[in-house]
Amino acid sequence: GAVVSQHPSRVICKSGTSVKIECRSLDFQATTMFWYRQFPKQSLMLMATSNEGSKATYEQGVEKDKFLINHASLTLSTLTVTSAHPEDSSFYICSARRNRQGVDSEAFFGQGTRLTVV
Amino acid sequence: GNSVTQMEGPVTLSEEAFLTINCTYTATGYPSLFWYVQYPGEGLQLLLKATKADDKGSNKGFEATYRKETTSFHLEKGSVQVSDSAVYFCALLTGTASKLTFGTGTRLQVTL
Repeated sequence: GAVVSQHPSRVICKSGTSVKIECRSLDFQATTMFWYRQFPKQSLMLMATSNEGSKATYEQGVEKDKFLINHASLTLSTLTVTSAHPEDSSFYICSARRNRQGVDSEAFFGQGTRLTVV
Repeated sequence: GNSVTQMEGPVTLSEEAFLTINCTYTATGYPSLFWYVQYPGEGLQLLLKATKADDKGSNKGFEATYRKETTSFHLEKGSVQVSDSAVYFCALLTGTASKLTFGTGTRLQVTL
């Protein structure tokens, strides 16, 4: 299957600083990438949909000024958590879909980033 | 709107036991259905999928059949192994939507 690489896998930062998480599709082009947040023992919550070359579409309740998403190329999307606070500590996962349309356009997931804000 | 309901976990089984994890859905249109697996500290991996009614997805001994009449996609495995311990997510995707809708996940713990 296709490979999606997410970096870093773990990061610890101080409260008030910003953290950038990268999501790369290594062997395919991804017009669309998705960013999820996963709380302990809960499902994945979609935060935003990232389209190459355009602004991200955020889900209701997600602060776009706090979670900055940039999808500069067909293989790279970044999520920046700005002015991080302890409540932002979570597991963040990205997903990328191939350029093919329709239901066979499978989503591939990165390995996730564990963010801890102290 | 779309939604996926999974049985609550955790599910604890002995090795070689039979596994069923229930999943039902509501959706507009004709969704594709997926099972993803998440091992500790990792992202999600696609386990299997089915794109139309009566299709059976299978992989690594796991199976699930797309049942339109009962709007279900239950995951089964005849003989689980310790290495199957993980969280399993049922999900759906409709043809016109670009977003996966996930269930809450079911944690499986397999013991010797």
